[in-house]
Amino acid sequence: ETGVTQSPTHLIKTRGQQVTLRCSSQSGHNTVSWYQQALGQGPQFIFQYYREEENGRGNFPPRFSGLQFPNYSSELNVNALELDDSALYLCASSLSPGRSIDEQFFGPGTRLTVL
Amino acid sequence: GESVGLHLPTLSVQEGDNSIINCAYSNSASDYFIWYKQESGKGPQFIIDIRSNMDKRQGQRVTVLLNKTVKHLSLQIAATQPGDSAVYFCAENNNQGGKLIFGQGTELSVKP
Repeated sequence: ETGVTQSPTHLIKTRGQQVTLRCSSQSGHNTVSWYQQALGQGPQFIFQYYREEENGRGNFPPRFSGLQFPNYSSELNVNALELDDSALYLCASSLSPGRSIDEQFFGPGTRLTVL
Repeated sequence: GESVGLHLPTLSVQEGDNSIINCAYSNSASDYFIWYKQESGKGPQFIIDIRSNMDKRQGQRVTVLLNKTVKHLSLQIAATQPGDSAVYFCAENNNQGGKLIFGQGTELSVKP
């Protein structure tokens, strides 16, 4: 069974640029959630994707967007990067969305630094 | 607003002792709680969970206690080992789909 993988592991961008982060869900999982974890803080929910559609969103501006592909992998896109976007971005996959509390398996994260 | 918080940001224990990590939550509608362990450079790893219709659940060397009256959650680790050193997060699901609300975290340091 393949776990959740994310790429790249580290990334450095400058303010105003755009970034795309990628996530491959665990085998058999059709739901992907993205979280932002600032240094010294707990992860904050960005949004969730199920069957290629957004299925819930946290308190993040529209410049944070995502995609889910037919193979259930996912991308997180952030436009017009700001310094405060510097964080660890975590992807988590699960068997199903909604109220289901199937365990969410987290990937190792992508460390984004915005200069 | 909704929040999940931890009473202690850091905890240092001696190897072999028991550890207790506490967490307070504010949303009484939450019906599922999870403890995660996060080691440096890694994503959060599931430890144990508990549903709101329970007040105690045990795993291997870990026990989670839920007190809904005071909205308090705790994680007990028996015979703490150096490999338990990590940051521990509590998280809640408040019936808003798959959204998990995480607390700030407690860093557990185990002294040999």
